[in-house]
Amino acid sequence: EVQLVESGGGLVQPGGSLRLSCAASGFTFSSHWMSWVRQAPGKGLEWVANIKQDGSEKYYVDSVEGRFTISRDNARNSLYLQMNSLRAADTAVYYCAREWGTYWGQGTLVTVSS
Amino acid sequence: EIVMTQSPATLSVSPGERATLSCRASQSVSSNLAWYQQKPGQAPRLLVYSTSTRATGIPARFSGSGSGTEFTLTISSLQSEDFAIYYCQQYYAWPYTFGQGTKLEIK
Repeated sequence: EVQLVESGGGLVQPGGSLRLSCAASGFTFSSHWMSWVRQAPGKGLEWVANIKQDGSEKYYVDSVEGRFTISRDNARNSLYLQMNSLRAADTAVYYCAREWGTYWGQGTLVTVSS
Repeated sequence: EIVMTQSPATLSVSPGERATLSCRASQSVSSNLAWYQQKPGQAPRLLVYSTSTRATGIPARFSGSGSGTEFTLTISSLQSEDFAIYYCQQYYAWPYTFGQGTKLEIK
């Protein structure tokens, strides 16, 4: 069974940093693109970033370019999102997803507030 | 960026009836179109991908159609568990983009 479990969310002040993790199991992690998708409270879904199987290609939505970094550790079956210079507009539930959305984790809430 | 537009924003349908949800892309996405269902407090659930292929375990009452820029999700006979928000998504070009969602509510 495919499982994606996010962790690392929480309350952070504007300008602060946070690192999200996603633990994958039930499939060959190193064979799949992986993504982060977010959903602000009461709003729709927004793609954040994705990363190729070997980490050689990464793509970001314009709103996080230069502030967020997606990475992966295939030996640990883990996906990461390093978030710097956080803003109130980054407040959302962050989901880890396989490829473009074949499987999703349950999400972790990031709240940016003073 | 490809803009995805869903209509209507809210759809009121009685259980047992058919629901038809629409999604339009601002440019062709070929057949790289997916539909998701989301219930309150839950992650999105993949229903249909490649425009018309049902994901594993999805009932046959869900069907997708279309091509290019116009797509439709049809739920043939609504069950109580189908009332939720539905999103379309293109994965043809980065950044992948979602529609704003259609809320399917009980009439």
